[in-house]
Parts: sequence; C-alpha cells; structure tokens
Amino acid sequence: KAGVTQTPRYLIKTRGQQVTLSCSPISGHRSVSWYQQTPGQGLQFLFEYFSETQRNKGNFPGRFSGRQFSNSRSEMNVSTLELGDSALYLCASSLTVHEQYFGPGTRLTVT
Amino acid sequence: ILNVEQSPQSLHVQEGDSTNFTCSFPSSNFYALHWYRWETAKSPEALFVMTLNGDEKKKGRISATLNTKEGYSYLYIKGSQPEDSATYLCAFIRHTGNQFYFGTGTSLTVIP
Repeated sequence: KAGVTQTPRYLIKTRGQQVTLSCSPISGHRSVSWYQQTPGQGLQFLFEYFSETQRNKGNFPGRFSGRQFSNSRSEMNVSTLELGDSALYLCASSLTVHEQYFGPGTRLTVT
Repeated sequence: ILNVEQSPQSLHVQEGDSTNFTCSFPSSNFYALHWYRWETAKSPEALFVMTLNGDEKKKGRISATLNTKEGYSYLYIKGSQPEDSATYLCAFIRHTGNQFYFGTGTSLTVIP
C-alpha cells in the first residue's frame, strides 16, 4: 500500500507570496491533518479535514487555509507569506483516531 | 492551551546503555497517548498507542508505560543502539475530539 505523499518536498518563496502544498493520503483514508514544525517547537496542529469538511482547526491565522477533494487529497494554502512561516509542513492521514500516518513533509523557506 | 511536555529535550547515551524519557499530559479528559519515532529525513513512525491506565507496551527493546491518573508516560529503551538515534514524540488525544497534541520531543543520540 502506498504511503502518504506530499509535494513539493522543498520550496523557496519570497515574503508576501502565497504557496500551496499538496498531500495525498493512503488509499481509503478519509481524514487528513496538517502540522507545522518550526525549530524548538513540537508539531503544531493546523487543521484536519474529513470527507471534504474541516473538522478541527488549530490556532493559526486566517492566512493558513486548506481544503480536501472528493478523492481525499488535501491542499494547504498560505497567503501573504511571512519569514516566520518557514517550517516543515507535515500531513498525516488516518482511518481511525487510533492512528496517524505521516508523509515526508514539505520544507518551506521564506526569504 | 493544552500542554504536552517531554523531558529531557535531548539525550546522548553510549551504545549499550538503557535510557528512558517522559511525556507529561493533562490527566483529565484522557482518550489516548501515542508515541512516535522520527528519524532525520524520514516521516514520524508510530511506535505505540496507549489507551488504558496501567498499559504497558513493548516492541523489541523499546517499551512504554502509561499513568493516566497522574498524566505521564515513560518510554524505555534497553541496550541502546546507534540505529535508535531519533527524536521520540508523544501525542495526547482528548476524549472530546480527534486532535493530536504533540510534545516537543526528546532527541536521542546513541554514540557507538
């Protein structure tokens, strides 16, 4: 069974630009969660989508948004990028609340 | 804000040493605690899912215990090997939702 895939793996953007990251979950998984990791911080929860609906949301500004498609693939968008948005963005898919399978992450650098 | 704390932040041990680290979480509204192992340049990988007070789980040389009444879990590694070098994360799940609350992790380096 293929794992969780994320594209792109690396990205360099300039302050003020916007970016879209993509996550393809494991086949059959309907829940996709997004996390941000910055140096010294744990994985900070951004949001979770289930069957195309946002089910949970973390404490991030409205510049961070997401969506999920009917095939469960999810995208995360960050508008008006700031230097502090430089981070590793991980997505995780799950079938039940007892598990999360993580992708390899997208490393975003904002200059 | 829900706090999940892990200690120590980092640890260097000699090959063959046994080691343990702690994950502290709120003792109320507990649903589950997950342990993950995260090697550099790889995805976090699930080690254990613990749901009951007193749970003990074991996988090879790695084991974990859970105390939900006092809000802590221990992860033990017996006879550490260089391949155990990784960051170990714990994640707490409340009874009222599906959100995972992660600690900042313990970075383990095993010196050959």
